[in-house]
Amino acid sequence: QSVLTQPPSASGTPGQRVTISCSGSSSNIGSHTVHWYQQLPGAAPKLLIFDSNQRPSGVPDRFSGSRSGTSASLAISGLQSGDEADYYCAAWDDSLNGNVFGTGTKVTVL
Amino acid sequence: EVRLVESGGGLVQPGGSLRLSCAASGFTFSRYAMHWVRQAPGKGLQYVSAITTNGDRKYYASSVKGRFSISRDNSKNTLYLQMGSLRPEDMAVYYCTRAPVLQLVDYWGQGTLVTVSS
Repeated sequence: QSVLTQPPSASGTPGQRVTISCSGSSSNIGSHTVHWYQQLPGAAPKLLIFDSNQRPSGVPDRFSGSRSGTSASLAISGLQSGDEADYYCAAWDDSLNGNVFGTGTKVTVL
Repeated sequence: EVRLVESGGGLVQPGGSLRLSCAASGFTFSRYAMHWVRQAPGKGLQYVSAITTNGDRKYYASSVKGRFSISRDNSKNTLYLQMGSLRPEDMAVYYCTRAPVLQLVDYWGQGTLVTVSS
């Protein structure tokens, strides 16, 4: 059961900027940093952004994250065909005493 | 290179049990918390359970509490998930994941499929 809400889909043409929102509550995003994962078709998820706006080594700076209050967002600039994937936000939840994931957003490159 | 290799998945009848294992390599296993995360076919990610570095604290999603048990053997660099009273809704790919701090998962295994069906 997801407690973080994301739009089911987002799309853009190559080179465009796409933004994905993640809405939570005071017990998760309001209290903890947010992480983002990219899941390419048929593959395991991969960490894309951690601590709301940090990129692991090897992740291009086309990917950026932000957090404000009980919401967070992921931006993909310079959209490429290889960015077609499902994207999930995640955060620790104090009420559930565990991680919660977003509902997931499928990004399509038109 | 960080490697997490899950095993133990398969077909089990409703009400049955299964034990998943995750062999870790390429990092100091005992220094990391570990999580299990699952993904039902065509669905999103769902947190299942987490365990601290020395196993003194364990956390469970409400949907599996009382039925699943997480454990680890730091001498064998292995994480386990004992699953009991399995239900059709437990059918999913189960991922073993590494957590440098309890709240952050950074590496994922390739997953093992658990099918619950009669």
